[in-house]
Amino acid sequence: DGGITQSPKYLFRKEGQNVTLSCEQNLNHDAMYWYRQDPGQGLRLIYYSQIVNDFQKGDIAEGYSVSREKKESFPLTVTSAQKNPTAFYLCASSASAGVYEQYFGPGTRLTVT
Amino acid sequence: KQEVTQIPAALSVPEGENLVLNCSFTDSAIYNLQWFRQDPGKGLTSLLLIQSSQREQTSGRLNASLDKSSGRSTLYIAASQPGDSATYLCAVNTGNQFYFGTGTSLTVIP
Repeated sequence: DGGITQSPKYLFRKEGQNVTLSCEQNLNHDAMYWYRQDPGQGLRLIYYSQIVNDFQKGDIAEGYSVSREKKESFPLTVTSAQKNPTAFYLCASSASAGVYEQYFGPGTRLTVT
Repeated sequence: KQEVTQIPAALSVPEGENLVLNCSFTDSAIYNLQWFRQDPGKGLTSLLLIQSSQREQTSGRLNASLDKSSGRSTLYIAASQPGDSATYLCAVNTGNQFYFGTGTSLTVIP
């Protein structure tokens, strides 16, 4: 089945620890995205990548880092510098930036205490 | 910066009723607009995609329209069912980024 997988579904960390969220797609899409969703707010873009080995900051990139070494993988690291990391994180992909629709993974809920 | 607004924030209707969800955006320079459905604790499911050159798209009981010049889109749901209960989000694509509204939470009462 083609789609986007995110793991784990739930993640718990202590404050001050870095944590990496996984996102894998087998849709052969060029573009991949990371969003954060908080209650009562729309999705906010953290980072996006249009091709391998290239990525751009979104609106709320501070405290996050990404890599895009393979077309199918776009991991997100939440660093200790992120002041309020507890949120629902969603990964998405599209065939390319522009006219194509986005497809989403099931999300990872991160709780930092 | 593109701003996307969805009104109402919440809507409750009896089963069988037709309903309209609204989405407005501030910058008409978009590539397309996409409607999504989100169930609690889940990812987003794509419902309809309207390209900037199109006026509407239909899928089953769903019909989405786009008036780019006025910065508006509507999602029409016919003959609503309890299984339609979810949050509906719209997103506009400016080429590099998608900008999302905060969603409309729909409850269909049996």
